[in-house]
Amino acid sequence: QKEVEQNSGPLSVPEGAIASLNCTYSDRVSQSFFWYRQYSGKSPELIMSIYSNGDKEDGRFTAQLNKASQYVSLLIRDSQPSDSATYLCAVKDFNKFYFGSGTKLNVKP
Amino acid sequence: GAVVSQHPSWVICKSGTSVKIECRSLDFQATTMFWYRQFPKQSLMLMATSNEGSKATYEQGVEKDKFLINHASLTLSTLTVTSAHPEDSSFYICSAFPPADRLSYTFGSGTRLTVV
Repeated sequence: QKEVEQNSGPLSVPEGAIASLNCTYSDRVSQSFFWYRQYSGKSPELIMSIYSNGDKEDGRFTAQLNKASQYVSLLIRDSQPSDSATYLCAVKDFNKFYFGSGTKLNVKP
Repeated sequence: GAVVSQHPSWVICKSGTSVKIECRSLDFQATTMFWYRQFPKQSLMLMATSNEGSKATYEQGVEKDKFLINHASLTLSTLTVTSAHPEDSSFYICSAFPPADRLSYTFGSGTRLTVV
């Protein structure tokens, strides 16, 4: 399986701050990248996808992709306590997804 | 939107018994479904790809005789954990591509299996 690496955290940020989550992947030919949010005991839900180098913004979320460095990140602006969850980075290979182990985010009120 | 229903949401079984988990696409047909397993604080690991009307494709290291997959219809895939042991205790999640979006999965709600 493809390697997808994430810092397990926990990453703690105060409410209203920017949370920065990082992910690296091993396969240079990967083209599709995804961020999922997973609450404890629940299945993942899609936050964003990104396919091209650069930034992609959706509301408070910004995904950043650098294929040369094999690096993808997720920025969460104006973090809210409800954002507290584990964030999974995923790489798509044809029709299969390969996930990182996730970064646990704690947003403190 | 497309919904994938998974049942049961949790199950406790005795060591040596078998457990069946169902995954249904409620409002769309899914010729392919995917089964993942997630141990605590670990990544989702792809176990197998379930194909309607044909044999499942298992990932390397997954025992096909232990994890039986049947995809008998366009809306139902089942995973049977045979002769379960405590080390099989995990969170099992199925997924499928909704028809309008082949880019990302719709996940089932997951099944927490505890083998005692």
